[in-house]
Amino acid sequence: QSALTQPASVSGSPGQSITISCTGTSSDLGVYNSVSWYQQHPGKAPKLIIFEVNNRPSGVSNRFSGSKSGNTASLTISGLQAEDEADYYCSSYTVNYRVFGGGTKLTVL
Amino acid sequence: EMQVVESGGGFIQPGRSLRLSCTGSGFTFSDYAMSWVRQAPGKGLEWVGFIRSKTYGETAEYAASVKGRFTISRDNSKSIAYLQMNSLNTDDTAVYYCTTWGCTSTSCFDTHWGQGTLVTVSS
Repeated sequence: QSALTQPASVSGSPGQSITISCTGTSSDLGVYNSVSWYQQHPGKAPKLIIFEVNNRPSGVSNRFSGSKSGNTASLTISGLQAEDEADYYCSSYTVNYRVFGGGTKLTVL
Repeated sequence: EMQVVESGGGFIQPGRSLRLSCTGSGFTFSDYAMSWVRQAPGKGLEWVGFIRSKTYGETAEYAASVKGRFTISRDNSKSIAYLQMNSLNTDDTAVYYCTTWGCTSTSCFDTHWGQGTLVTVSS
């Protein structure tokens, strides 16, 4: 099982929107909707922000949204804020196995 | 409030064994699958494995990198999940996170994370 592919870094200015891609294969993202996204601030534990492609847990801002097309999932953050600066990880779960993306560092300029 | 707390990390020599614990509170522990995820210093997240809930037989699945060396178990009476790590090597150095593993009808994901416990494997 190979890791999912994410860009190493993305950046944006406050108020802008950014999108982070997460590319898998026809055996994982291409088949299943079990895609989740996690936010991790430096020195902190990760936090679930999106599950099942485009669902937000209670308490997560609606500025975060997810989507999927074919073998690629995407996380979009709208109305970028300074507090959004963090690392973001996608993850896929297939039958009895899961894999993470390599992570994307978001810099708010 | 659902909470998980890891313990048992520390400094260990290569080839030795170590057991981590994950104590849950604020939820019915036996109803939840529990997962372990690790993060090497300066690196990304890596799935280690998970153990199903009592309803699903408490069976476990593992990443290829740890299969045969690591074992996940649970004691529902104490609300504790364990990660037994044998034959440790320097590549196992990481912060180990315990999570509650939640599923819908079509998707599974880590709902709550502990603060992590650092395991350092070095001679």
